[in-house]
Amino acid sequence: GAGVSQSPRYKVAKRGQDVALRCDPISGHVSLFWYQQALGQGPEFLTYFQNEAQLDKSGLPSDRFFAERPEGSVSTLKIQRTQQEDSAVYLCASSLAGTFAAYEQYFGPGTRLTVT
Amino acid sequence: RKEVEQDPGPFNVPEGATVAFNCTYSNSASQSFFWYRQDCRKEPKLLMSVYSSGNEDGRFTAQLNRASQYISLLIRDSKLSDSATYLCAVNMVRMNTGFQKLVFGTGTRLLVSP
Repeated sequence: GAGVSQSPRYKVAKRGQDVALRCDPISGHVSLFWYQQALGQGPEFLTYFQNEAQLDKSGLPSDRFFAERPEGSVSTLKIQRTQQEDSAVYLCASSLAGTFAAYEQYFGPGTRLTVT
Repeated sequence: RKEVEQDPGPFNVPEGATVAFNCTYSNSASQSFFWYRQDCRKEPKLLMSVYSSGNEDGRFTAQLNRASQYISLLIRDSKLSDSATYLCAVNMVRMNTGFQKLVFGTGTRLLVSP
C-alpha cells in the first residue's frame, strides 16, 4: 500500500519567508509525528497528533513553528519568518497506534528545507 | 546525559564480517525500542522492533538488556548493501497521558567494503 508522502521534497526559502510543508500519512494511521533532522544527527521530535488533536508540541523550537491536522489525516507544518537555523530535513511519520500503545512509526521521504 | 546514545562510528568492516552496535538509553521506564536504517539523503526505514528480550530476522539480531539499559544490533555476514547509518530509537511514553515520541540516537555509520 501507499506509504507516507510529503511535499515538497525540496524547498529553498529566503530568510524571513513563510513556508508550509505537507504530510499525507498512511491511510488509517491514527498518530502522526513531525521530526526535524539536522545533518549528522538523528531525527528530533517536534510534535504529535492523535487524529486531529495535537497532543504534544513540546519539541517545536519556537512560536514561529505551527502544525495542524484539521481532519485527522493530512498535516501541515508551517514555519513563519524562516531563519537559517531552520535549514534541515523535516520528516513526517505515522503510526497505527493511539495513546498508550507504542506501535512502529513509518517515515515519509522528508522535505529538505534550505533557508538562504 | 543524552536520552539515547550511540557510537557514531564509522565502523569499517569487510564483506562477510560480523559487526555489532550498541545503544544506551537513560529512561528505565522505556518499553519499546527500534532499529532504523537510514541511507544517505533518504528517510529512516524500520529495520527491527525490539519489544522484549530480543528478536532475529535473517542476518540481523536485536537484543535488549534492561538491567544495563542498552539495546544492540548484530549483523552477520555483512553485505556491501548493508552500508548505511543505523539509528537506534526509544519510544518514550508518558504514562499519565499516553503521549509518546521516538527519541533517536545520532546513528552509527557502517561501511562494508569488498
